[in-house]
Amino acid sequence: GENVEQHPSTLSVQEGDSAVIKCTYSDSASNYFPWYKQELGKRPQLIIDIRSNVGEKKDQRIAVTLNKTAKHFSLHITETQPEDSAVYFCAARIHSSGGGADGLTFGKGTHLIIQP
Amino acid sequence: DVKVTQSSRYLVKRTGEKVFLECVQDMDHENMFWYRQDPGLGLRLIYFSYDVKMKEKGDIPEGYSVSREKKERFSLILESASTNQTSMYLCASSSPPREQFFGPGTRLTVL
Repeated sequence: GENVEQHPSTLSVQEGDSAVIKCTYSDSASNYFPWYKQELGKRPQLIIDIRSNVGEKKDQRIAVTLNKTAKHFSLHITETQPEDSAVYFCAARIHSSGGGADGLTFGKGTHLIIQP
Repeated sequence: DVKVTQSSRYLVKRTGEKVFLECVQDMDHENMFWYRQDPGLGLRLIYFSYDVKMKEKGDIPEGYSVSREKKERFSLILESASTNQTSMYLCASSSPPREQFFGPGTRLTVL
C-alpha cells in the first residue's frame, strides 16, 4: 500500500518568516494530495489540496507544490502568524474516477510553532 | 455547512468490553471512514465504506469491525476492547471529488 513520509516532525519559525513542510509518497498511482491543519483539541480541517495534473496551487499565504517524478509534495506558508501554530498533516490518495472510495494515507504530522 | 458528529467525546471502557462508536453525517455523503490518531503516528485508516452495507479494510483493521446500515451512519465496533486500543478515533465522510470532512473525535480509554 501507500506510504507517506513527512518532515520535519517539529518546525519552529519566527513570526513573519516562511515555513516549509515536505512529504514523499511511495505509490506512483496516487493522484490526490490534501493538507490538513489540526489545532489543539480540534478536528483536522483541509487547508489546501492538489491533484496530480497540477504542479502548484496557491491560496493566499499557503501554497502546495507537487513533483510527480520525484514523488514528493510540499506545503509552503509565507508571512507566518501566531494562528498558524498547529499540527499539519499531508496525505495521499488514489482517486478512482470509476466510483468507490479510497481512504487517505497520512504522514505522521508536523508540529508548527510560530515564535512571537 | 457539512456536519459530522460522533456519539461521544470521551469514553472509558474496561478490557474485554464490547465498544460501539457511532458517527453520523448530514450531507448525504457516499463515503465514510474511521481513523485512529496516536501521537507520533498521525492518522491511520481502520475501515471505510462507499455505500450502505459495503465496507473495506483500511491499513489497521485488526480488532475492529464496522457497520453501515444507513447511509448517514457508520459504526465502529471493538468486539473485545484491549488497552492497545486506547486512542483518539476520528470519523470522516466525503462525496467525491470533494475532500473528507472530519468529526470532532472520540477519545477512548481502555482500562
